[in-house]
Amino acid sequence: GNSVTQMEGPVTLSEEAFLTINCTYTATGYPSLFWYVQYPGEGLQLLLKATKADDKGSNKGFEATYRKETTSFHLEKGSVQVSDSAVYFCALRGNQGGKLIFGQGTELSVKP
Amino acid sequence: GAVVSQHPSWVICKSGTSVKIECRSLDFQATTMFWYRQFPKQSLMLMATSNEGSKATYEQGVEKDKFLINHASLTLSTLTVTSAHPEDSSFYICSARPHHRAADTQYFGPGTRLTVL
Repeated sequence: GNSVTQMEGPVTLSEEAFLTINCTYTATGYPSLFWYVQYPGEGLQLLLKATKADDKGSNKGFEATYRKETTSFHLEKGSVQVSDSAVYFCALRGNQGGKLIFGQGTELSVKP
Repeated sequence: GAVVSQHPSWVICKSGTSVKIECRSLDFQATTMFWYRQFPKQSLMLMATSNEGSKATYEQGVEKDKFLINHASLTLSTLTVTSAHPEDSSFYICSARPHHRAADTQYFGPGTRLTVL
């Protein structure tokens, strides 16, 4: 079945550091891929998405590229801020629609 | 943006009692709502999908008599954990899809922490 694997957290970075959170997936066909972010005390919010191979999703300085050859969708940001501290979830939805499959989440803590 | 609230945000109950969790879409109508469960350091697992005015569709392995879902209006869905036991302790999250929006559009609530003693 479909599954998503993320790097374990917590990840602790200094402000302005480069961020990578790894995400790999297993799925048949061509799923849509997502990154969600959950700030403390709030619900998950869609951060970015990509619906086909080689697409790049981007938002708020974050980027992720849909790599079918490596079945990956790694999240990157060139310079993190303290306000980026949150839990990040990678997710997929199968190419025939259906439910979202989430990774286990990666907690990011950015120190000033 | 679209807001989904959950109530209560946390609840502690005794084993054998029932607990009701509410999920409300505050500024939009939601024809479909989803209930997830999250264990510590683990991913969100979809429990069930509810459509307004019809019975919920439960995922494999989820006991529908244990986790009662009611979606009586376009802005409210409730999850009732019946005869709760310590193993039901978890973080429960709902999400809502606005009426006439694509399948990718879901807005999530902040979650409810349930602790069963």
